[in-house]
Amino acid sequence: KAGVTQTPRYLIKTRGQQVTLSCSPISGHRSVSWYQQTPGQGLQFLFEYFSETQRNKGNFPGRFSGRQFSNSRSEMNVSTLELGDSALYLCASRRDTNTEAFFGQGTRLTVV
Amino acid sequence: AQKVTQAQTEISVVEKEDVTLDCVYETRDTTYYLFWYKQPPSGELVFLIRRNSFDEQNEISGRYSWNFQKSTSSFNFTITASQVVDSAVYFCALSLNTDKLIFGTGTRLQVFP
Repeated sequence: KAGVTQTPRYLIKTRGQQVTLSCSPISGHRSVSWYQQTPGQGLQFLFEYFSETQRNKGNFPGRFSGRQFSNSRSEMNVSTLELGDSALYLCASRRDTNTEAFFGQGTRLTVV
Repeated sequence: AQKVTQAQTEISVVEKEDVTLDCVYETRDTTYYLFWYKQPPSGELVFLIRRNSFDEQNEISGRYSWNFQKSTSSFNFTITASQVVDSAVYFCALSLNTDKLIFGTGTRLQVFP
Protein backbone atom coordinates (compact mmCIF):
# COMPACT_ATOMS: atom_id res chain seq x y z
CA LYS A 1 0.00 0.00 0.00
CA ALA A 2 1.52 3.31 -1.07
CA GLY A 3 2.14 5.89 1.62
CA VAL A 4 1.48 9.61 1.59
CA THR A 5 3.23 11.24 -1.35
CA GLN A 6 4.27 14.86 -1.35
CA THR A 7 5.68 16.71 -4.34
CA PRO A 8 8.01 18.31 -4.89
CA ARG A 9 10.48 17.26 -2.20
CA TYR A 10 12.54 20.43 -2.45
CA LEU A 11 11.74 23.88 -3.71
CA ILE A 12 13.60 27.17 -3.88
CA LYS A 13 11.57 30.32 -4.49
CA THR A 14 12.18 34.04 -4.42
CA ARG A 15 10.43 36.46 -2.09
CA GLY A 16 7.14 37.65 -3.54
CA GLN A 17 6.55 34.56 -5.65
CA GLN A 18 3.85 32.03 -5.01
CA VAL A 19 4.13 28.26 -4.61
CA THR A 20 1.85 25.24 -4.80
CA LEU A 21 2.58 22.03 -2.92
CA SER A 22 0.84 18.75 -3.59
CA CYS A 23 -0.15 15.84 -1.36
CA SER A 24 -1.58 12.47 -2.41
CA PRO A 25 -3.02 10.64 0.62
CA ILE A 26 -3.09 6.93 1.23
CA SER A 27 -5.75 5.26 -0.88
CA GLY A 28 -9.10 5.27 0.93
CA HIS A 29 -8.14 8.10 3.29
CA ARG A 30 -10.51 11.05 3.21
CA SER A 31 -8.82 13.46 5.59
CA VAL A 32 -5.75 15.49 4.69
CA SER A 33 -4.01 17.91 7.05
CA TRP A 34 -1.07 20.23 6.49
CA TYR A 35 1.61 21.27 8.97
CA GLN A 36 4.51 23.70 8.88
CA GLN A 37 7.71 22.78 10.69
CA THR A 38 10.36 25.39 11.48
CA PRO A 39 13.23 25.36 14.02
CA GLY A 40 11.72 28.34 15.85
CA GLN A 41 8.02 27.48 15.94
CA GLY A 42 8.12 23.70 15.74
CA LEU A 43 5.22 21.82 14.16
CA GLN A 44 2.20 24.02 13.57
CA PHE A 45 -1.17 23.07 12.12
CA LEU A 46 -2.14 24.84 8.91
CA PHE A 47 -5.47 23.35 7.85
CA GLU A 48 -7.44 20.16 7.46
CA TYR A 49 -9.69 18.94 4.67
CA PHE A 50 -12.24 16.16 4.71
CA SER A 51 -14.20 15.17 1.62
CA GLU A 52 -13.26 18.43 -0.15
CA THR A 53 -14.34 20.65 2.76
CA GLN A 54 -12.02 22.63 5.00
CA ARG A 55 -12.95 21.58 8.54
CA ASN A 56 -10.28 23.32 10.54
CA LYS A 57 -7.77 26.11 10.04
CA GLY A 58 -4.71 27.11 12.02
CA ASN A 59 -3.52 30.58 12.89
CA PHE A 60 -1.83 31.50 9.63
CA PRO A 61 -2.33 34.54 7.37
CA GLY A 62 -4.61 34.41 4.35
CA ARG A 63 -1.58 33.98 2.08
CA PHE A 64 -1.79 30.32 3.03
CA SER A 65 -4.63 28.47 1.36
CA GLY A 66 -5.50 24.96 0.35
CA ARG A 67 -8.00 22.74 -1.31
CA GLN A 68 -8.91 19.11 -1.67
CA PHE A 69 -10.07 17.38 -4.81
CA SER A 70 -12.69 14.67 -5.25
CA ASN A 71 -9.95 12.00 -5.31
CA SER A 72 -8.78 13.29 -1.87
CA ARG A 73 -5.54 14.73 -3.26
CA SER A 74 -4.78 18.09 -1.71
CA GLU A 75 -2.82 21.16 -2.63
CA MET A 76 -1.67 24.06 -0.53
CA ASN A 77 -0.73 27.42 -1.92
CA VAL A 78 1.36 30.18 -0.42
CA SER A 79 1.22 33.54 -2.16
CA THR A 80 3.60 36.50 -1.83
CA LEU A 81 6.29 34.38 -0.23
CA GLU A 82 8.29 35.78 2.67
CA LEU A 83 11.65 34.63 4.01
CA GLY A 84 9.87 33.34 7.12
CA ASP A 85 7.87 30.89 5.02
CA SER A 86 11.01 28.78 4.61
CA ALA A 87 10.08 25.52 6.30
CA LEU A 88 9.35 21.84 5.95
CA TYR A 89 5.71 21.42 4.96
CA LEU A 90 4.21 18.10 6.00
CA CYS A 91 1.01 16.52 4.85
CA ALA A 92 -0.86 13.88 6.84
CA SER A 93 -3.69 11.61 5.79
CA ARG A 94 -6.23 9.76 7.90
CA ARG A 95 -8.86 7.20 7.06
CA ASP A 96 -11.33 9.03 9.26
CA THR A 97 -11.51 11.49 12.18
CA ASN A 98 -9.45 10.51 15.22
CA THR A 99 -7.74 7.63 13.49
CA GLU A 100 -3.99 7.39 13.03
CA ALA A 101 -2.42 10.18 10.96
CA PHE A 102 0.24 9.08 8.49
CA PHE A 103 2.68 11.65 7.21
CA GLY A 104 4.50 12.16 3.95
CA GLN A 105 8.20 12.99 3.70
CA GLY A 106 7.43 16.67 3.34
CA THR A 107 8.33 19.46 0.97
CA ARG A 108 11.27 21.57 2.04
CA LEU A 109 10.64 25.12 0.87
CA THR A 110 13.43 27.67 0.87
CA VAL A 111 12.59 31.30 0.18
CA VAL A 112 15.52 33.49 -0.87
CA ALA B 1 -6.03 25.96 26.29
CA GLN B 2 -4.47 22.77 25.08
CA LYS B 3 -0.76 22.21 25.30
CA VAL B 4 1.86 19.47 25.09
CA THR B 5 5.15 19.81 26.96
CA GLN B 6 8.26 17.78 26.25
CA ALA B 7 10.71 19.20 28.74
CA GLN B 8 13.67 17.13 27.55
CA THR B 9 15.21 18.90 24.57
CA GLU B 10 17.95 16.37 23.95
CA ILE B 11 18.93 13.03 25.46
CA SER B 12 22.13 11.10 24.77
CA VAL B 13 22.55 7.46 25.73
CA VAL B 14 24.86 4.61 24.89
CA GLU B 15 23.50 1.63 23.01
CA LYS B 16 21.61 -0.92 25.14
CA GLU B 17 20.64 1.65 27.76
CA ASP B 18 16.98 2.16 28.53
CA VAL B 19 15.63 5.66 27.96
CA THR B 20 12.33 7.37 28.85
CA LEU B 21 10.95 10.34 26.97
CA ASP B 22 8.54 12.47 28.96
CA CYS B 23 5.30 14.01 27.72
CA VAL B 24 2.90 16.13 29.76
CA TYR B 25 -0.33 17.40 28.26
CA GLU B 26 -2.95 19.97 29.21
CA THR B 27 -6.62 19.91 28.26
CA ARG B 28 -9.98 20.38 29.98
CA ASP B 29 -11.70 18.03 27.54
CA THR B 30 -12.59 14.55 28.74
CA THR B 31 -12.26 13.01 25.29
CA TYR B 32 -8.87 13.34 23.67
CA TYR B 33 -6.23 11.34 21.86
CA LEU B 34 -2.50 11.13 22.43
CA PHE B 35 0.13 10.19 19.88
CA TRP B 36 3.85 9.60 19.59
CA TYR B 37 5.74 10.13 16.36
CA LYS B 38 9.36 9.55 15.39
CA GLN B 39 11.12 11.89 12.97
CA PRO B 40 14.35 10.49 11.51
CA PRO B 41 16.71 12.76 9.54
CA SER B 42 14.75 12.06 6.35
CA GLY B 43 11.99 14.27 7.76
CA GLU B 44 8.97 12.00 7.60
CA LEU B 45 6.96 11.68 10.81
CA VAL B 46 6.58 7.99 11.58
CA PHE B 47 3.50 7.02 13.57
CA LEU B 48 4.27 5.01 16.72
CA ILE B 49 1.12 4.91 18.85
CA ARG B 50 -2.33 6.42 19.36
CA ARG B 51 -4.14 6.27 22.70
CA ASN B 52 -7.59 7.60 23.62
CA SER B 53 -8.36 9.20 26.97
CA PHE B 54 -10.56 6.32 28.12
CA ASP B 55 -7.89 3.70 27.75
CA GLU B 56 -5.24 3.97 30.46
CA GLN B 57 -3.75 0.56 29.86
CA ASN B 58 -0.04 0.65 29.29
CA GLU B 59 1.16 -0.73 25.99
CA ILE B 60 4.25 -2.61 24.96
CA SER B 61 5.41 -3.13 21.39
CA GLY B 62 8.74 -4.88 21.15
CA ARG B 63 11.35 -2.60 22.74
CA TYR B 64 8.85 0.26 22.98
CA SER B 65 6.45 0.84 25.86
CA TRP B 66 4.10 3.64 26.82
CA ASN B 67 2.86 4.69 30.25
CA PHE B 68 -0.37 6.74 30.24
CA GLN B 69 -1.34 8.32 33.56
CA LYS B 70 -4.36 10.63 33.57
CA SER B 71 -3.72 11.55 37.22
CA THR B 72 -0.50 13.31 36.22
CA SER B 73 -1.53 14.13 32.61
CA SER B 74 1.47 12.25 31.32
CA PHE B 75 2.08 9.90 28.42
CA ASN B 76 5.69 8.76 28.68
CA PHE B 77 7.56 6.64 26.16
CA THR B 78 10.30 4.16 27.08
CA ILE B 79 12.75 2.50 24.73
CA THR B 80 14.36 -0.58 26.22
CA ALA B 81 17.87 -1.60 25.12
CA SER B 82 18.23 1.36 22.81
CA GLN B 83 19.89 0.99 19.41
CA VAL B 84 21.66 3.44 17.13
CA VAL B 85 18.68 3.25 14.74
CA ASP B 86 16.51 4.77 17.48
CA SER B 87 18.33 8.08 17.04
CA ALA B 88 15.71 10.60 15.92
CA VAL B 89 13.49 13.39 17.17
CA TYR B 90 10.42 12.11 18.99
CA PHE B 91 7.20 14.10 19.18
CA CYS B 92 4.25 13.70 21.50
CA ALA B 93 0.94 15.11 20.23
CA LEU B 94 -2.62 15.70 21.41
CA SER B 95 -5.88 15.95 19.48
CA LEU B 96 -9.38 16.80 20.74
CA ASN B 97 -11.89 14.97 18.59
CA THR B 98 -10.69 16.82 15.51
CA ASP B 99 -7.90 16.01 13.12
CA LYS B 100 -5.73 18.88 14.36
CA LEU B 101 -2.64 17.60 16.14
CA ILE B 102 -1.06 19.77 18.81
CA PHE B 103 2.59 18.84 18.99
CA GLY B 104 5.17 19.19 21.71
CA THR B 105 8.54 20.67 20.86
CA GLY B 106 10.13 17.26 20.48
CA THR B 107 12.98 15.41 22.16
CA ARG B 108 16.12 14.66 20.16
CA LEU B 109 17.45 11.24 21.11
CA GLN B 110 21.02 10.34 20.24
CA VAL B 111 22.11 6.76 20.75
CA PHE B 112 25.85 6.23 20.57
CA PRO B 113 27.45 2.88 19.78
